[in-house]
Amino acid sequence: GAVVSQHPSWVICKSGTSVKIECRSLDFQATTMFWYRQFPKQSLMLMATSNEGSKATYEQGVEKDKFLINHASLTLSTLTVTSAHPEDSSFYICSAKQRGERTQYFGPGTRLTVL
Amino acid sequence: AQSVSQHNHHVILSEAASLELGCNYSYGGTVNLFWYVQYPGQHLQLLLKYFSGDPLVKGIKGFEAEFIKSKFSFNLRKPSVQWSDTAEYFCAALAGGSQGNLIFGKGTKLSVKP
Repeated sequence: GAVVSQHPSWVICKSGTSVKIECRSLDFQATTMFWYRQFPKQSLMLMATSNEGSKATYEQGVEKDKFLINHASLTLSTLTVTSAHPEDSSFYICSAKQRGERTQYFGPGTRLTVL
Repeated sequence: AQSVSQHNHHVILSEAASLELGCNYSYGGTVNLFWYVQYPGQHLQLLLKYFSGDPLVKGIKGFEAEFIKSKFSFNLRKPSVQWSDTAEYFCAALAGGSQGNLIFGKGTKLSVKP
């Protein structure tokens, strides 16, 4: 149980284009989903927290107009990187948890490369 | 601000050696602690967690961790490592209960030589 999937697993795009990454909880209802960014040889940095049906809460320094997050259902959250630039290249990881729970379950991550 | 420190960046061990990875957190209130493992090319998996009760927590694959409140520590241990334990290990702390955010340490890469 507690499986989280992400799609795509990797994507290459041209500078200036937008990329959408999906995060799904496969066997539980994720009332809260989190989006992280992981730089090479570094830890996970929380970008934003989204609760189903609400606007996402972004961490300091994360541009909400650049990283659009939608959490329209209890099993799906999407992260759209708008007008991507090479500095946005990174590994994006989502996690999900149920209401009232403290344990997060992580997706496999999406490797984004912006040319 | 809350923070989690993992002092070892890279640990190299031979098979059957004992393992201890350090983790310290800075938060004065009630904190929940986690160890996650990331095998090469795979996603983060939960190894074990501490919420309350017995400070010695046993997890999957023979791992255990001990919560020592006075030292603000939650070190991960395994008595005898295997080559398949080669992975990156992340300690994380959650303050504020189910409403809080996970704060991760920088991770420790473990390489086990066969």
